[in-house]
Amino acid sequence: DVKVTQSSRYLVKRTGEKVFLECVQDMDHENMFWYRQDPGLGLRLIYFSYDVKMKEKGDIPEGYSVSREKKERFSLILESASTNQTSMYLCASSPRRGYTEAFFGQGTRLTVV
Amino acid sequence: AQSVAQPEDQVNVAEGNPLTVKCTYSVSGNPYLFWYVQYPNRGLQFLLKYITGDNLVKGSYGFEAEFNKSQTSFHLKKPSALVSDSALYFCAVRDGGSASKIIFGSGTRLSIRP
Repeated sequence: DVKVTQSSRYLVKRTGEKVFLECVQDMDHENMFWYRQDPGLGLRLIYFSYDVKMKEKGDIPEGYSVSREKKERFSLILESASTNQTSMYLCASSPRRGYTEAFFGQGTRLTVV
Repeated sequence: AQSVAQPEDQVNVAEGNPLTVKCTYSVSGNPYLFWYVQYPNRGLQFLLKYITGDNLVKGSYGFEAEFNKSQTSFHLKKPSALVSDSALYFCAVRDGGSASKIIFGSGTRLSIRP
């Protein structure tokens, strides 16, 4: 079974802190994604990566950056956390082929106070 | 640009009745379409997908979905709902490119009453 592991289930951070959310997948997938989930807004794509060191902005990249130094790991960085970044963050991975589904981690619920 | 619309925030169905959760999409090339389910405090689980071929695709837990190219729709269906089907359902679209992103709808909460 594909496993996508997010480093924390729950996280509480202070405004202005630099926050790292880590995601690791064990299936050698080329594509990795970060989404945030908010009630009524569904999943919105923040960034995705299609290869090591390669990234593309999603629909809501402002206030976020990403890092992919190794194929299995994709990090989401909140440079200076703000209260409006309080949300559920979901990481996913998929093979390169476009017809394949993505596999999701359990999510990280981040609260910025 | 790709987009997905789920016009209903909530769908309420009595147990044993058929259910439909609606989804329409927009994509420039050939669409790859997906349905996912999310139970409380969990990540998303894949249910089924349409790639090509038969317009009716079958998936997990007795769910199926009908692809309609002329109406750009991909509605999720089940002939007989169970209380355990109560969850949040997401439709998603991906275009055919290898580096393509996956775009999700806003989600539909399905509530099955006993």
